[in-house]
Amino acid sequence: AQTVTQSQPEMSVQEAETVTLSCTYDTSESDYYLFWYKQPPSRQMILVIRQEAYKQQNATENRFSVNFQKAAKSFSLKISDSQLGDAAMYFCAYRSFYQGGSEKLVFGKGTKLTVNP
Amino acid sequence: DAGVTQSPTHLIKTRGQHVTLRCSPISGHKSVSWYQQVLGQGPQFIFQYYEKEERGRGNFPDRFSARQFPNYSSELNVNALLLGDSALYLCASSLDREKLGGQPQHFGDGTRLSIL
Repeated sequence: AQTVTQSQPEMSVQEAETVTLSCTYDTSESDYYLFWYKQPPSRQMILVIRQEAYKQQNATENRFSVNFQKAAKSFSLKISDSQLGDAAMYFCAYRSFYQGGSEKLVFGKGTKLTVNP
Repeated sequence: DAGVTQSPTHLIKTRGQHVTLRCSPISGHKSVSWYQQVLGQGPQFIFQYYEKEERGRGNFPDRFSARQFPNYSSELNVNALLLGDSALYLCASSLDREKLGGQPQHFGDGTRLSIL
């Protein structure tokens, strides 16, 4: 079974600075997807960024980028120019590649990000 | 376009009762998944339905059941409620096109279920 580990329960960053959230995962599969979701106090889980394991290039979305190290099974999220609105719980999630099968997401326990003005 | 909608927003029940949670996916999405999020934890997968058929089931007891309707909306039913069932229940939908694996799931705001 796949597992996702987020070793940082809480992180803080000053507004406009950069922060990196860590995520490691365990799987025997060679093809899969990885996601970062953001969950503000409003509760809705919002997709931040996704990465296909077969792509070597790291995904980027505006101020958000990932450092995907497949051999090390590591998938960290970097937030540049942090904004107050980035404050939230961040969850790393894994999904098997198999098409036609379950779309089950396996989530980590999350990292609470605080942005200080 | 409307996002994933869930009802009710909050619900309070007592032990032993039954509850039904509802979810309407984004228009055009045929796949619906249910997750349980206990306070302080990441969501745990309960069920996935696609075209009214169960596609996946997580490690939850038979007290949990679900179904999907022809309009792709879905219900999650929980019988014989326990205190441990208190959680945020999230619904997510996706396109789930066979040729486009890895379609991201879009989540609703969830239903907060409290068991007294």
